Amino acid sequence: IVLTQSPGTLTLSPGERATLSCRASQGVSSTYLAWYQQKHGQAPRLLIYGAFRRATGIPDRFSGSGSGTDFTLTISRLEPEDFAVYYCQHYSTSPYTFGQGTKLEIK
Amino acid sequence: QVQLQESGPGLVKPSQTLSLTCNVSGASISTGGSYWSWIRQHPGTGLEWIGYISYSGSTYYNPSLKSRVIISVDTSRNQFSLKLSSVTAADTAVYYCARASHASGFDYWGQGTLVTVSS
Repeated sequence: IVLTQSPGTLTLSPGERATLSCRASQGVSSTYLAWYQQKHGQAPRLLIYGAFRRATGIPDRFSGSGSGTDFTLTISRLEPEDFAVYYCQHYSTSPYTFGQGTKLEIK
Repeated sequence: QVQLQESGPGLVKPSQTLSLTCNVSGASISTGGSYWSWIRQHPGTGLEWIGYISYSGSTYYNPSLKSRVIISVDTSRNQFSLKLSSVTAADTAVYYCARASHASGFDYWGQGTLVTVSS
């Protein structure tokens, strides 16, 4: 399963809303779709699993949605610490794959 | 608090075997439903899943690496290991270990360790 994320780079200002897309080459069970945030020099951090469930300690400005082949990560009001790279991933069947990432940068 | 920590050589010669260990604390590696994974990230690029060993000892590998990868577990030390044979410069990457579960994705990650393949 190939996951394609768009856009490649998203340039926004703090306080704005960010919408990140992840499209699968074939249907993915929502149960096994996750989103991760990665900051420079750090390991990825789990944000969302099961397409819409927030991981422990993740602020409610992060939300996930979608089903089938189209999934979305929304950040309702960007905070300065949210500017990072975001990856989607499916973990339903081997091989688990990641999208190529969306870089969220400050305008 | 579950913590994972990678260890191993930071420099490996071409054609040799890359060997890394992930020490797990705060959880038993035999915990039902856990899949102990290796993921790598080439410099400046995205994430590539290498494979996992399950709580029951079964393994699954990325087909692109399957012929060169072995993941094993040492329950007495609560750690799991990665061996990648016949390495080339294309295997230079940051290697992460992580815990996965079908219930909650890849929820705990090590800090990552850079392995460079060079003579």
